[in-house]
Amino acid sequence: DTGVSQDPRHKITKRGQNVTFRCDPISEHNRLYWYRQTLGQGPEFLTYFQNEAQLEKSRLLSDRFSAERPKGSFSTLEIQRTEQGDSAMYLCASSLGSPSDYEQYFGPGTRLTVT
Amino acid sequence: SQQGEEDPQALSIQEGENATMNCSYKTSINNLQWYRQNSGRGLVHLILIRSNEREKHSGRLRVTLDTSKKSSSLLITASRAADTASYFCATCMEYGNKLVFGAGTILRVKS
Repeated sequence: DTGVSQDPRHKITKRGQNVTFRCDPISEHNRLYWYRQTLGQGPEFLTYFQNEAQLEKSRLLSDRFSAERPKGSFSTLEIQRTEQGDSAMYLCASSLGSPSDYEQYFGPGTRLTVT
Repeated sequence: SQQGEEDPQALSIQEGENATMNCSYKTSINNLQWYRQNSGRGLVHLILIRSNEREKHSGRLRVTLDTSKKSSSLLITASRAADTASYFCATCMEYGNKLVFGAGTILRVKS
């Protein structure tokens, strides 16, 4: 399968713990996006990378969140000191370029539950 | 914040009927895209329509765009049970580098 993959698919953690999610994009895609989706809502943009450079971050991305894309391949999203409000589906997407020209391909998501 | 608003929030139809979903947005756009999401899964791109296009077709899908009214509609003809999913519109603003999604329409097709 050559689609976008995410790991883990589900994560249950206690409040205050740190969690890290991984996203493997489609190999030839240079853009990678992170979104957060809560129940009954559409995905909300968090951040995106062009190759290894993080070019935009949403105000939703508090200082407890950090994302990396070393070497412009896979990406990780870390949440420190998790809070119950962080419970959501975290979606990763990749594309060949800007959304002004290209569609985005989404992974299956990581569902985070903070207890 | 979410720019697009879909209408209706939920739609239930019989197999074989047509389904129409609407999306309104607030600012000038470069393009508008429609995505489908099956329960608990990632999104799948359906169609992209540019701001200078008025209508686009893909199989059983027909999308229209009215930039003067800042609205778009997605028509699914001859619906099937497998079309049951949530449908989202997403806008890319002029010179934008990200998509802004609406809250979605939940479509249920009964067989």
